[in-house]
This record gives sequence, C-alpha cells and structure tokens, in this order.
Amino acid sequence: EAGVAQSPRYKIIEKRQSVAFWCNPISGHATLYWYQQILGQGPKLLIQFQNNGVVDDSQLPKDRFSAERLKGVDSTLKIQPAKLEDSAVYLCASSAGTGYYGYTFGSGTRLTVV
Amino acid sequence: GDSVTQMEGPVTLSEEAFLTINCTYTATGYPSLFWYVQYPGEGLQLLLKATKADDKGSNKGFEATYRKETTSFHLEKGSVQVSDSAVYFCALTPSSGTYKYIFGTGTRLKVLA
Repeated sequence: EAGVAQSPRYKIIEKRQSVAFWCNPISGHATLYWYQQILGQGPKLLIQFQNNGVVDDSQLPKDRFSAERLKGVDSTLKIQPAKLEDSAVYLCASSAGTGYYGYTFGSGTRLTVV
Repeated sequence: GDSVTQMEGPVTLSEEAFLTINCTYTATGYPSLFWYVQYPGEGLQLLLKATKADDKGSNKGFEATYRKETTSFHLEKGSVQVSDSAVYFCALTPSSGTYKYIFGTGTRLKVLA
C-alpha cells in the first residue's frame, strides 16, 4: 500500500514570499490533516478535512495560511506571505475515518524561511 | 486545555540498557494515549496505544501503561538496540472523540553500540 505522499521535501524561501505544499493521501482515506512541526516541538494540527469539507481549522493562521482539498483527495497548503517563524516541517496525515485506525503520516516538507 | 509533557532529551544509552521515557498528560475525561516514533528522514509511525485506564500498549519490545491516577504513560523497553535511535513522541486524543492529536515535544534517543 502506498503511503501518504508529500512534495516538495525541502523548500527555502525569503520572508514575504509565498509557498505551497502538496499532499496525496492514502487511497480511500476520507480524512486528511495538516500539522506544523517547529524544531524542538511536537506536531501541531493546523487543519483537518473530512472529504473536501473542513472539520477543524481553529489553529490555522488564516491571515496567511490557506488550505484546500480538491475533490476530497489531494490537498494543498499555502502560506502567503511567509514569516521567519513559519520555518518548520509541514506534515500531512490521512485516516480512513474519524478514528486513529490507519492514521498515517507523510514524511513532511521542511520549510526554511530566510 | 489538554496537553502532554515528556522528558527532555537527548537520552543517550548503551546497547542493551533499560529505557524509560517519562510522559504525563493533562486532559479532561478519558483521553486515548499514544507513543509515536520518528526515525531520521521518515514520517511519524505509531508505536503503541492505550485507550482506557490500566491498559498496557506494547509493540517491538516497547511497553507503556495508561495510569489515570498519576496521569502518566511512560514508555519502557528492557533492552535497547542501536536501531531504536529515533525521536519518540507521546500524544493524546481528547475524550471528546476528535482525532486531533496533541503531541509532546519529543524525546531524542541515541543508542550507542
């Protein structure tokens, strides 16, 4: 079974630039999550989708972050404009339902804002 | 709000040593508790879980017991190997049923041959 695919693996941008990350979840997984993992901290949930609807985006900085899930499958997370404090690993995860069964994380995209 | 606190690392052990990584939590009700492991360059992998008080989760020689009276979920392994070198995260999901993981800050384990 293929895992959760994310791209790119690494990205370096200057502050105030924009950036987008892509995630392809495991086939058939209805729920998709984006987490932010700052160095030295545990991952923090940014947004949760159920199919193509948003379930929880309470910790998403909506003034600069946006996310969408196209046709309930792939998802993109965008930051515009980026700040230095956005430097982190952005993890995508998916699960079959609303529980933890089959909850699988991707390898992440490491963003460095300079 | 709900939170997880785990011991700071790095933890450095010799091969075959006994491992304990402490984890305590703050949550209302009865959360589910998890240990995840992150090997270098890889994604987070579920190591073990416990969904109710006194449950013991186990996998690959690792164990953790859900202790509600001490709000703890300490990770233990009797004899570590070099291949266990990784970052270990304690996490919970709230009893409200949402599967929004709340993670601790992670503990890096380095095992020396």
